[in-house]
Amino acid sequence: QSVLTQPPSASGTPGQRVSISCSGSNSNIGSNLVYWYQQLPGMAPQLLIYKNTQRPSGVPDRFSGSKSGTSASLAISGLRSEDEADYYCATWDDGLRSVVFGGGTKLTVL
Amino acid sequence: QITLKESGPTLVKPTQTLTLTCTFSGFALSTHGVAVAWIRQPPGKALEWLALIYWDDDKRYSPSLKSRLSITKDTAKDQVVLTVTNVDPADTATYYCAHSAPGYNNHAVYWGQGTLVTVSS
Repeated sequence: QSVLTQPPSASGTPGQRVSISCSGSNSNIGSNLVYWYQQLPGMAPQLLIYKNTQRPSGVPDRFSGSKSGTSASLAISGLRSEDEADYYCATWDDGLRSVVFGGGTKLTVL
Repeated sequence: QITLKESGPTLVKPTQTLTLTCTFSGFALSTHGVAVAWIRQPPGKALEWLALIYWDDDKRYSPSLKSRLSITKDTAKDQVVLTVTNVDPADTATYYCAHSAPGYNNHAVYWGQGTLVTVSS
């Protein structure tokens, strides 16, 4: 059972906008920065969004992150077939004194 | 260019101790604010954060696994070692090491390719 809650799956058609939620509590998302990772099939995860909204160089601006209270969200606009992957949110938990991950969301491009 | 690579046994018997080594390049673990973390992923399941060691040798562990984990560094060899004692089939997973840069709040920025460890008799 993950500390952060994500929907297990999401889907969209090419060109659509999809959003993936990540729900936590005051001890984690509510008081810390959120990170998002993309894991392509058979590959190691890659940093996608850091510090709630920032994109590492090389990440298209189709990917955006937001945070409000104890929840965060990853949005992908102009969906493309190569976006089909697993997406994980992560943050620091002040009570556990460790990084915590969400359970992951499998994005399918129909 | 920052790279990390995990190495260790692919098969371990239950109750044994698993020792994994992360060999990295492109950064120094003696630099203020730098850290290396271990994260694992059971087949078909989610990521699980395990442990992290800082440039100053401070350490953090997953509370649920703390009694079985140990993380150490060898700055001269650019290596970080994770040991997991008393392994169980539930420890079967791909184990990743990752670099955390200053200002990234202990989060992984660069990841290794991962190494699959199977626990079975």
